[in-house]
Amino acid sequence: DADVTQTPRNRITKTGKRIMLECSQTKGHDRMYWYRQDPGLGLRLIYYSFDVKDINKGEISDGYSVSRQAQAKFSLSLESAIPNQTALYFCATSDSRGQFFGPGTRLTVL
Amino acid sequence: AQSVSQHNHHVILSEAASLELGCNYSYGGTVNLFWYVQYPGQHLQLLLKYFSGDPLVKGIKGFEAEFIKSKFSFNLRKPSVQWSDTAEYFCAVNKGSNTGKLIFGQGTTLQVKP
Repeated sequence: DADVTQTPRNRITKTGKRIMLECSQTKGHDRMYWYRQDPGLGLRLIYYSFDVKDINKGEISDGYSVSRQAQAKFSLSLESAIPNQTALYFCATSDSRGQFFGPGTRLTVL
Repeated sequence: AQSVSQHNHHVILSEAASLELGCNYSYGGTVNLFWYVQYPGQHLQLLLKYFSGDPLVKGIKGFEAEFIKSKFSFNLRKPSVQWSDTAEYFCAVNKGSNTGKLIFGQGTTLQVKP
């Protein structure tokens, strides 16, 4: 969905490096989410935010942090990347109709 | 543990065959149910959703799903698949009246042979 954008789209980094993934939305939604997708595991929720002052851990938050800089921006950080964080990362927003996903960021940690 | 299970991990069909993908969840109480599709190299798109009312839900591209509360199931169906339906399909559930905190199934890869 072009209304939810993610940068970068692809990133290769080394173990121990700090990485930030950005998400922006023009939908005007208060609720935003970060998921990771791994083969055979579906999507798992890392963090979610119901408004700028509300940040919550999802089911797999260890090793990650987030920042909700504004209603439209929700960033995911890996403070010290490790190889098992290699995955496809999706940002999403939601309203009463459902969740809307960004195009994804493919992250490889060597 | 509360979970969403998709029984078929990889399905191969010929064009015009009928499709049914299973989805079961283990939550009690009120749930909202979704099916998402991910075409190769693309992001997830909503196929259909169930919040309340008629348990037979019709979505985009000829897909439908039936909510059977007694079986905790929300199976996805399509009478006649096309090659363009080749994709990964995800069932998802969230509890209550909001659309936050989706719990996803493992996904089913559908390959349609021309």
